[in-house]
Amino acid sequence: EIVMTQSPATLSVSPGERATLSCRASQSVSSNLAWYQQKPGQAPRLLIYGASTRATGIPARFSGSGSGTEFTLTISSLQSEDFAVYYCQQYNNWPPSITFGQGTRLEIK
Amino acid sequence: QVQLVQSGAEVKKPGASVKVSCKASGYTFTGYYMHWVRQAPGQGLEWMGWINPNSGGTNYAQKFQGRVTMTRDTSISTAYMELSRLRSDDTAVYYCARDRRYYDILTGYYTPSYYFDYWGQGTLVTVSS
Repeated sequence: EIVMTQSPATLSVSPGERATLSCRASQSVSSNLAWYQQKPGQAPRLLIYGASTRATGIPARFSGSGSGTEFTLTISSLQSEDFAVYYCQQYNNWPPSITFGQGTRLEIK
Repeated sequence: QVQLVQSGAEVKKPGASVKVSCKASGYTFTGYYMHWVRQAPGQGLEWMGWINPNSGGTNYAQKFQGRVTMTRDTSISTAYMELSRLRSDDTAVYYCARDRRYYDILTGYYTPSYYFDYWGQGTLVTVSS
């Protein structure tokens, strides 16, 4: 099974600043990677898929990059509504598997 | 608009089974795979498997094989996830999530992407004696 490791576990950033979240795969997943945002008591929301494509309705301040085993989610200028937990998720063709990272909690500094 | 509405919270005893439903609306139910993802209290997300509502075909995560069954009723646009032989560590919120399919220009078919674009509200399943 492909293991996804996110870092840091918790990130403290001030509103208006940039946040950079990392996700590493235990083996190459090509660009088969997504990012989700989850707020307390809510279902996750798809932000980025295919490593770098924003989902419908996602603001341009969210961007994704990377391929293979190293991926990054960048939030260029943090808004109050961006403080949440972020998960990366990979899909692998063979053996077929879908796994999530353990999450990064983005908190207000 | 796309909506996935799940059944209500359940309390079960260890060894019992639970069946969670997910009613879809706002799109063609048979055109999109449906996934199930769970989240234990205070923990991360765990993918359980998917069902192709058109064919009924399924693919389960290895961890759940033998204990999970995913089915659907196309007449009422509803997917189901049944988990058997429940244990205390199955206590979690269970989500259904629609696959964000894409159009493959090489094959001319819509293809699952294995990303999740719409989610149900979640169903809390508590396993306790």
